[in-house]
Amino acid sequence: KQEVTQIPAALSVPEGENLVLNCSFTDSAIYNLQWFRQDPGKGLTSLLLIQSSQREQTSGRLNASLDKSSGRSTLYIAASQPGDSATYLCAVQNNNDMRFGAGTRLTVKP
Amino acid sequence: KAGVTQTPRYLIKTRGQQVTLSCSPISGHRSVSWYQQTPGQGLQFLFEYFSETQRNKGNFPGRFSGRQFSNSRSEMNVSTLELGDSALYLCASSLGAGGANEQFFGPGTRLTVL
Repeated sequence: KQEVTQIPAALSVPEGENLVLNCSFTDSAIYNLQWFRQDPGKGLTSLLLIQSSQREQTSGRLNASLDKSSGRSTLYIAASQPGDSATYLCAVQNNNDMRFGAGTRLTVKP
Repeated sequence: KAGVTQTPRYLIKTRGQQVTLSCSPISGHRSVSWYQQTPGQGLQFLFEYFSETQRNKGNFPGRFSGRQFSNSRSEMNVSTLELGDSALYLCASSLGAGGANEQFFGPGTRLTVL
C-alpha cells in the first residue's frame, strides 16, 4: 500500500528565504507526482506535475524534483514571499488512485 | 476555460439524513474523482468515474456512492449521515482515466453534520 510522507509538518521562515519541502513515497510504481497548494478552507491548486519519466519541473520561483528509485521528491521555493503562506501537499498517482501526504504548513513572515 | 465547479459550497445536515453533492468537470474532461478531506485522516480517495462508469473505489462504506452523467457531470451521495462524515469533499477532473492524467480540483463542498 502506497504511503506518502511529508517533512516537515510545519515550517516558518522570514520573507526572502529559499526553502525546500520534502515528500517521500514507499512504492515507486507511480505514473506521476503532483505538488499542490491549499489555502485554509479552500480547494487544491496544482503547482507542478512531474511525470514518472521526468526528473524535474519548474514554474517561476518553484522547482520540483523527482527521484523515483529512492521514492523522493522535493519542492524548492526561491525567494519566499508572505503570499506563499499555505499548506503544500504532494500526491502520487498510480493507475487506480491518488495518494496524498499530510502536507507541510508554510508560514512566510514579512 | 472554466474550472471545476462544485455545488453547494457549504452544507449543514443532521445525523441520519442524506446528502447529494454535485461536481461539474472542466469542459472536455471525462474523468471525475472524489476525495474526502478531514483534519484527522487528511485527503482520502473516494471513487473515480469515467464515461459514466465507476472505475475505482477507495476504502469507504457503502453509504458513500456516486454516479456520472453523459455530460460528465458527477454527483456523490452520502446516506445515513454520521458526525464523522463532516469534511471538505473535493472533486477533481481529468481528460482521461488512469494515472497518466493531471487532475484539476474544484473548490470543494464543506459538509457539516450536526
